[in-house]
Amino acid sequence: DAGVIQSPRHEVTEMGQEVTLRCKPISGHNSLFWYRQTMMRGLELLIYFNNNVPIDDSGMPEDRFSAKMPNASFSTLKIQPSEPRDSAVYFCASGGVYGYTFGSGTRLTVV
Amino acid sequence: AQTVTQSQPEMSVQEAETVTLSCTYDTSESNYYLFWYKQPPSRQMILVIRQEAYKQQNATENRFSVNFQKAAKSFSLKISDSQLGDTAMYFCAFLSIIQGAQKLVFGQGTRLTINP
Repeated sequence: DAGVIQSPRHEVTEMGQEVTLRCKPISGHNSLFWYRQTMMRGLELLIYFNNNVPIDDSGMPEDRFSAKMPNASFSTLKIQPSEPRDSAVYFCASGGVYGYTFGSGTRLTVV
Repeated sequence: AQTVTQSQPEMSVQEAETVTLSCTYDTSESNYYLFWYKQPPSRQMILVIRQEAYKQQNATENRFSVNFQKAAKSFSLKISDSQLGDTAMYFCAFLSIIQGAQKLVFGQGTRLTINP
């Protein structure tokens, strides 16, 4: 089991550019979460999926953010256009009642 | 909505001492799960311990144990014989299950430093 795989690990982009973060959950996990972590706001839940269906995206900060889960083995979080205040570490997690496994995160820097 | 509160932004103890991190939560549900996660400087989120709300017995994992007080909605983490490698951010998390869908919410975290 390779765990939850996120890519890229680091991303530096210019303001206004589109950014796509990727996540491959652990096989068999029905729930997937996207979080954003900053010093000021801690771990914020952005959106979560159950059986590939988005359940609650009320944590998505703006319409510039969107997420998809086209199948059980892949999810994306897209920011278009990106802004400097989007700079943060973005985590993906999958699991269930026995606990959630996190990916290594993507550190996004928007300059 | 479920909320999780960690009232201690930072804590510091000497190696080998025992330390307790506090966590309270707010919910109207009866079926839920609670977790403590550790995030060392590597930024990896690591599951430390879990507790089912329907179980009265407090969970224990080696040097880590919890004090779960359901009526008080309190879920503290005790680390015994603390080690330098325990230095990390610790997050309390609440998992609710609503109509089959699971939602995991975190507290703001406690930065724990173990001093030699």
